[in-house]
Amino acid sequence: KAGVTQTPRYLIKTRGQQVTLSCSPISGHRSVSWYQQTPGQGLQFLFEYFSETQRNKGNFPGRFSGRQFSNSRSEMNVSTLELGDSALYLCASMLSGPSSYNEQFFGPGTRLTVL
Amino acid sequence: GENVEQHPSTLSVQEGDSAVIKCTYSDSASNYFPWYKQELGKRPQLIIDIRSNVGEKKDQRIAVTLNKTAKHFSLHITETQPEDSAVYFCAAYQGAQKLVFGQGTRLTINP
Repeated sequence: KAGVTQTPRYLIKTRGQQVTLSCSPISGHRSVSWYQQTPGQGLQFLFEYFSETQRNKGNFPGRFSGRQFSNSRSEMNVSTLELGDSALYLCASMLSGPSSYNEQFFGPGTRLTVL
Repeated sequence: GENVEQHPSTLSVQEGDSAVIKCTYSDSASNYFPWYKQELGKRPQLIIDIRSNVGEKKDQRIAVTLNKTAKHFSLHITETQPEDSAVYFCAAYQGAQKLVFGQGTRLTINP
C-alpha cells in the first residue's frame, strides 16, 4: 500500500503571496490532519478533515484554510504569507473508526520558506 | 483544551544505557497516547502507543507506562543503540480527532 504523499516537497514564496499544499492519504483512509512543525514550537495541529468536512481545528489564524475532496485528498492554503509561516507542513492520514482512535501515518512534509 | 508537557527537551546517554522521556497531559478525557520517533530529515513514525485502559506496554527494547491518576506517561528505551538517536514526540488524543503533541525530546546516544 502506498504511503501518504505530499506535494510539493519544497516551496519558496515571498511575503504576501499565497500557497496551496497537497496531501494524498493512504488508500482507504478518510481522515487527513495537517500540522505545522517549527524548531521552536514542535508539532502544532492545524485542522483535520473527514469525509470532506472539517472536524476539528487548532489555534491558527484564518489565513490558514483547508479542504478535502471526495477521494480524500486534501489541500491546505495559506494566504498573505508571513515570514513566521516558514515551516515544515506535515499531513497525516488515519483510517478513523467511528469511536476509537487509529494510528496516524505521516507524509514526508512540504518545506515552505517565506522570504 | 488538551496540553501536553514533555521533558527533557534534550537527553544524552551512553550506548547501552537506558533513556526515559516523560510527558504529562491536562485533559482527563484523553484516552490514547502514542509516541513518535522522527529521525533527521524524515517524517514522524509511530513507535509505540498505549490506551487508557492499560498501564504498561512493551515492545522489545521500548516500553511505555501510563499513570492515569497523575496524568503522566513515560517512554523507556533500554540497551540504547546509536540508531535510537532521534527526536521523540509524545502525544495525547482526546477523542475529538485532535492529537496534541509534546514539544519533543532530542535523544543522542553516545558511542
